[in-house]
Amino acid sequence: QVQLQESGPGLVKPSETLSLTCTVSGGSISSYFWSWIRQPPGKGLEWIGYIYDSGSSNYNPSLKRRVTMSVDTSKNQISLKLSSVTAADTAVYYCARGGLVSAGTFDYWGQGTLVTVSS
Amino acid sequence: DIQMTQSPSSLSASVGDRVTIACRASQSTSNYLNWYQQKPGQAPKLLIHAASGLQSGVPSRFSGSGSGTDFTLTINSLQPEDSATYYCQQAYSTPWTFGQGTKVEIK
Repeated sequence: QVQLQESGPGLVKPSETLSLTCTVSGGSISSYFWSWIRQPPGKGLEWIGYIYDSGSSNYNPSLKRRVTMSVDTSKNQISLKLSSVTAADTAVYYCARGGLVSAGTFDYWGQGTLVTVSS
Repeated sequence: DIQMTQSPSSLSASVGDRVTIACRASQSTSNYLNWYQQKPGQAPKLLIHAASGLQSGVPSRFSGSGSGTDFTLTINSLQPEDSATYYCQQAYSTPWTFGQGTKVEIK
């Protein structure tokens, strides 16, 4: 059974960089699209971007200038960095797998990790 | 960006009722339309992919239909465990986008 687990600091100061890691177990990273999706408290879902196992990526234009994603196939991990954060970036951050049906169909999700931006 | 609009935003129904949730896209998404269920404190769960494909392990009372810009999620014989928020999502073009959600409450 594929499992995804997000990890990283739960509190980030304004203007700093949010860094999260998603560890995939029970399956390979290869041949799938790995997305980050976030959900502000009490609000809806926003797709941040994806990275493929080759390292190719596609980011939401609304966040593109601040987002960097990377993949470490040896560790079965995907990483997200979001720079210059503000309170508006406070959200639960999920990693999710796409690609079995289509790149943007997310069949496995991590449990999510809450990141709060505050001084 | 393709905008996704769901209706209603919330509904209340009784156990055994048939529930329908609509999702409209601002432009055609072909059949690249997914439905997710999210319960409080949990990650979304894929219910329906490609507009009408039932995800493995999902009860058959869930079904999806539509193509182009108009889609529907139907829950036949609503169960207490179906209390959740439901999201549609287009997987046709990036940035992939979600509807605002429909909260389903059991009377």
